[in-house]
Order: sequence, then C-alpha cells, then structure tokens
Amino acid sequence: NAGVTQTPKFQVLKTGQSMTLQCAQDMNHNSMYWYRQDPGMGLRLIYYSASEGTTDKGEVPNGYNVSRLNKREFSLRLESAAPSQTSVYFCASSPGTGGYEQYFGPGTRLTVT
Amino acid sequence: GENVEQHPSTLSVQEGDSAVIKCTYSDSASNYFPWYKQELGKGPQLIIDIRSNVGEKKDQRIAVTLNKTAKHFSLHITETQPEDSAVYFCAASIAGGSYIPTFGRGTSLIVHP
Repeated sequence: NAGVTQTPKFQVLKTGQSMTLQCAQDMNHNSMYWYRQDPGMGLRLIYYSASEGTTDKGEVPNGYNVSRLNKREFSLRLESAAPSQTSVYFCASSPGTGGYEQYFGPGTRLTVT
Repeated sequence: GENVEQHPSTLSVQEGDSAVIKCTYSDSASNYFPWYKQELGKGPQLIIDIRSNVGEKKDQRIAVTLNKTAKHFSLHITETQPEDSAVYFCAASIAGGSYIPTFGRGTSLIVHP
C-alpha cells in the first residue's frame, strides 16, 4: 500500500517550458488535491477534484490546469512555466472533502529559471 | 469563506518543555479541526484531529483543545523531544458536503537538545 505517490521528485524548467506533475493514490479515495508550498505562505490550494469526473479551482489556479484521469490519478499541468511557479507541489487525497483526514504525497520540488 | 490564523510562526523551546500552537477560525459552521506535522523534505501527516462535539482530545504527549465560543483551537505538546522539531499546520473544515479544508500558515517548532 503505497498511499499517495508523486512524480517527479525534482524538476528544473526554463521559463516557457511545459510539464505535467503526476499523482496517484491507491486508497480508493474520492477526493484529490494539488497544493503549492512557499516559505511563509503555508499550503495554498491550486485545484481539487471532489470526485472522479469533477475538478474545481482553488485559491491560486492561474497558470495551471488539471486532469482527473480516473479515480486513482490526478495530474497538474504547467503550460508555460514562469519563475513565480518555483515551489514545492504536494498532491493529497481523502475519502471525501469536508471532515476527512488528507493524505499527502512526498512532494515535487520545481525550479523555474 | 473560512479564514484560519495560526500563531506563532516560529516557536523555539528546550527539550522537555511544553509547546503550544494556537489557531483561530472565522466560520462558526466549521466542525472538523485536524493538525498536521511536516518533517523536513516530506509531506504533511495528520497527528491529531478534533470534532466540534468534544472540547479536548489527547494522544500520549499531544493534545488539542477547542473553544467553539471563541472560535479557536490549540495544539499542546508536552515533554518535547528533538524529533518533535517540524512544521505544524492547523486546518478547519465542515464535515459533509464539498467543504475544502482551510489551512493555517504553519508553525516551525524547534526543540533544542
């Protein structure tokens, strides 16, 4: 039982390049989330998927797109990376949205030069 | 929407001392309050949570208290150890429905041997 897995662990991009961060969970959870973590800013929600087939914007969605590929997988895409997107990205999952523990992946450290 | 304030942002204690981290929330409908611990280089992990039908919950050296009237909740760690050094996040949400948790900005706890 791996929990929540994320790939890659580290990535360096040049401004304007695109990439997709992958996330998968094996706990049969309905809800999945993408957060970014910057020093002093805590965890900020980018997008979430309350259930398979649905996605919604969070607090900081600009510059990102997501795809809930199936119940297990939730990907985050940066179409044209900017230095302001340098951050640590965490994927999380939970059985439902409100009132449940969230399980976090190990994170992806992204640097945009 | 919900707003969660967390204090202090940094807390330095000596091994064996107690540590207290406080959070306030704005939405009186919030009824689920988890605390997460994030060790260096890892994703956050739930350490304790409390629901609004109880005022206190304990698990060995950690405890959480909730004051619904004042809309604040606190994490208490007794007999701190160096391995308690980490970033701690509080969160608030509403059980049921599509209420995404709102996180505080985190507290960096440093326990000096």
